[in-house]
Amino acid sequence: KAGVTQTPRYLIKTRGQQVTLSCSPISGHRSVSWYQQTPGQGLQFLFEYFSETQRNKGNFPGRFSGRQFSNSRSEMNVSTLELGDSALYLCASSFLGGTYEQYFGPGTRLTVT
Amino acid sequence: GIQVEQSPPDLILQEGANSTLRCNFSDSVNNLQWFHQNPWGQLINLFYIPSGTKQNGRLSATTVATERYSLLYISSSQTTDSGVYFCAVVNGNQFYFGTGTSLTVIP
Repeated sequence: KAGVTQTPRYLIKTRGQQVTLSCSPISGHRSVSWYQQTPGQGLQFLFEYFSETQRNKGNFPGRFSGRQFSNSRSEMNVSTLELGDSALYLCASSFLGGTYEQYFGPGTRLTVT
Repeated sequence: GIQVEQSPPDLILQEGANSTLRCNFSDSVNNLQWFHQNPWGQLINLFYIPSGTKQNGRLSATTVATERYSLLYISSSQTTDSGVYFCAVVNGNQFYFGTGTSLTVIP
């Protein structure tokens, strides 16, 4: 089976712009979770989608949003980018849901200038 | 929220040495995973271990949920073991990652 894929792998944006990241889960997995990793805050949970519905949300501002499509692919959007949004964004897929065994993609490294 | 602490934060080993990494958590958990993050940022699954002991080659892990800790053992370390090791626990309905242990294996 193919693993979790994320596109793009690298991205450079300017403050104030918006960005959309994509994640394709392992075939058959219906849950996709998103995480932000920064040197200062470590790995932090953003949100989880299961069967096109957001099930859980972490403590991030409303500028961070996501959605999931009927084929389980998920997108994450960040609007009005700030310098502090520079991070590695990781998505993970799970067969049973976000509280069960998760498999991570390679990540998207976002740099905001 | 739950606190997940890993120790030691940094570890330098000579190739061939053994090591034990620890993950302590402050509340009851439903599940626990260990990951290895390679230099490119990819998180690689090592163990899914809510309780008990598992082994996979040179690696093994033990979780004692009632005492709120998990251990990851690495034997006969190799340079390819270098990277950051994370434990992640499930409390409530989401995963919480530990602070990580950065391992460097020297030839």
